[in-house]
Amino acid sequence: NAGVTQTPKFRVLKTGQSMTLLCAQDMNHEYMYWYRQDPGMGLRLIHYSVGEGTTAKGEVPDGYNVSRLKKQNFLLGLESAAPSQTSVYFCASSYSTVGYGYTFGSGTRLTVV
Amino acid sequence: AQKITQTQPGMFVQEKEAVTLDCTYDTSDQSYGLFWYKQPSSGEMIFLIYQGSYDEQNATEGRYSLNFQKARKSANLVISASQLGDSAMYFCAMREGGDAGNMLTFGGGTRLMVKP
Repeated sequence: NAGVTQTPKFRVLKTGQSMTLLCAQDMNHEYMYWYRQDPGMGLRLIHYSVGEGTTAKGEVPDGYNVSRLKKQNFLLGLESAAPSQTSVYFCASSYSTVGYGYTFGSGTRLTVV
Repeated sequence: AQKITQTQPGMFVQEKEAVTLDCTYDTSDQSYGLFWYKQPSSGEMIFLIYQGSYDEQNATEGRYSLNFQKARKSANLVISASQLGDSAMYFCAMREGGDAGNMLTFGGGTRLMVKP
């Protein structure tokens, strides 16, 4: 089925460990996004990309890095995980026009202990 | 300033009744899109309805309709004939044409609970 696939779905990290979350889409969307959602709150933008090889910071970029080496993939990295990064992470992709909504992945639940 | 404001953290509605979830937005762009998403307890984000800034008619999708009042900058979601499966978090979001990444900005959400 076409859509956005996130891996892994769940992960527990120790403080200071690193990890990479992978997002893959097969809809040929130009734009891709990483959001985080804390309990009882809305989604906040971490980083985004408007095309292969380009990335930009969102609202809450500190502690994260991203890369988009291929159009279909958008990677989110945590170099040194902190308990404050415990959250649910959503990837999304879209065409560029404002009239087009996102297709979301199913989310990654990350716990940093 | 908040771009999207949802003032109702939680709401109850009786099954089969209609309910309105409030959303106000702030933008200086002429071209923008307004979206509502549903997030059930399973966690996925489900697209419900879209309203474009130039659309003159209110959007409808089945039991969902969007009460768009452009001058008041409000985009309230109306759910008719509520069902138990409508219990979920609901997020209002806006996409502006002036933003470099055309990203969606989300409100804080409203938790809707449908009573049998």
